[in-house]
Amino acid sequence: KAGVTQTPRYLIKTRGQQVTLSCSPISGHRSVSWYQQTPGQGLQFLFEYFSETQRNKGNFPGRFSGRQFSNSRSEMNVSTLELGDSALYLCASSQGTSGGAPSSTDTQYFGPGTRLTVL
Amino acid sequence: AQTVTQSQPEMSVQEAETVTLSCTYDTSESNYYLFWYKQPPSRQMILVIRQEAYKQQNATENRFSVNFQKAAKSFSLKISDSQLGDTAMYFCAFSYSGGSNYKLTFGKGTLLTVNP
Repeated sequence: KAGVTQTPRYLIKTRGQQVTLSCSPISGHRSVSWYQQTPGQGLQFLFEYFSETQRNKGNFPGRFSGRQFSNSRSEMNVSTLELGDSALYLCASSQGTSGGAPSSTDTQYFGPGTRLTVL
Repeated sequence: AQTVTQSQPEMSVQEAETVTLSCTYDTSESNYYLFWYKQPPSRQMILVIRQEAYKQQNATENRFSVNFQKAAKSFSLKISDSQLGDTAMYFCAFSYSGGSNYKLTFGKGTLLTVNP
């Protein structure tokens, strides 16, 4: 079974631009989560999607948004980029449960990440 | 809010020896999951081991085992017979098991170097 894929792997943007990152989950997985990783703040949760609905959101400004498609693929968008948005953005997929708690066997599998550099 | 603390920013161990990475967490919840993830220089985050809070038995996966002390809110990772491929950043993570909550809260990580 193919793993989680993220595109592109590397991006360079300038301040004020916007960017869209893509994540394709493992086949059959319906939950997709996004995380931001920086040297200073570490790994921080951005949001989680299940069946095209955002169920949980981290403490990030509204410039960070996302969506999920019917095939479970997800995109995240960052508008009006700032220097501080430079980070590794990780996507994770899991089977997910509809409205219930994560099962004891449900595990988040991570993609290789997208390295975003804002100049 | 849950917090996860890893007090050892860096550790090193000789190949074939045993090393223990520490993790403490703070939560008011009683049902949750704990994880250790490994992030090698290639950057791909990989699950090493997981523990359900309601299970008293410590989880093991081959050379990896945990010491889960629920009352002390401690969750350490022991790596036996360390191998060069174990060199990586190790993250301890917490997930609440209630509701529709797939949010992982991570510690800052411990950089483990295995020396030949």
